[in-house]
Amino acid sequence: QQQVKQSPQSLIVQKGGISIINCAYENTAFDYFPWYQQFPGKGPALLIAIRPDVSEKKEGRFTISFNKSAKQFSLHIMDSQPGDSATYFCAASNGSGTYKYIFGTGTRLKVLA
Amino acid sequence: GAGVSQSPSNKVTEKGKDVELRCDPISGHTALYWYRQSLGQGLEFLIYFQGNSAPDKSGLPSDRFSAERTGGSVSTLTIQRTQQEDSAVYLCASSPGLAFDRTQYFGPGTRLLVL
Repeated sequence: QQQVKQSPQSLIVQKGGISIINCAYENTAFDYFPWYQQFPGKGPALLIAIRPDVSEKKEGRFTISFNKSAKQFSLHIMDSQPGDSATYFCAASNGSGTYKYIFGTGTRLKVLA
Repeated sequence: GAGVSQSPSNKVTEKGKDVELRCDPISGHTALYWYRQSLGQGLEFLIYFQGNSAPDKSGLPSDRFSAERTGGSVSTLTIQRTQQEDSAVYLCASSPGLAFDRTQYFGPGTRLLVL
């Protein structure tokens, strides 16, 4: 019940296209859902995060869509650029206690020029 | 301002040796986390500190792993009698640790290779 399932494992998108990464969870106590971007040899960096009281959050070209009833959330990258090529991780955090993150297994995105 | 720093950036050791990994969190962050990232895998939670206390050690894979935090700041993760399966990137993150601000800021990681 602590798992966060992420798909796809890898994704290839043409420049200017839309990249979509999906995550699903089981634990209804999760109440904070961040997305992290990681470049090779670097630590993950926060991209965008959402709480379940909203269904969508947009920051620039990045949008999180959240479906509370389905226990699913997704990251959409609009107008994908080669510089977006990285590994993306979704995560979930429980509202009580440690606030530790449970991460998905990651999606390796490659945007073709 | 300064982010989370970790040292060493790379560590190669022989099986059976002990290693110490260091994390310097963002100043003022009370929460500190250690995660492990194996090749091509997601991030696996190891341990959480609030101040100098570790109320959640549930992710430590064996009693060969231990961690401490002093002065509410620097943390050290120690792996005793290293095994080849310990090879991974060890990531440290710090956070304000507040319900309304749970952002975790990650360091660059320590890449550990056990030969």
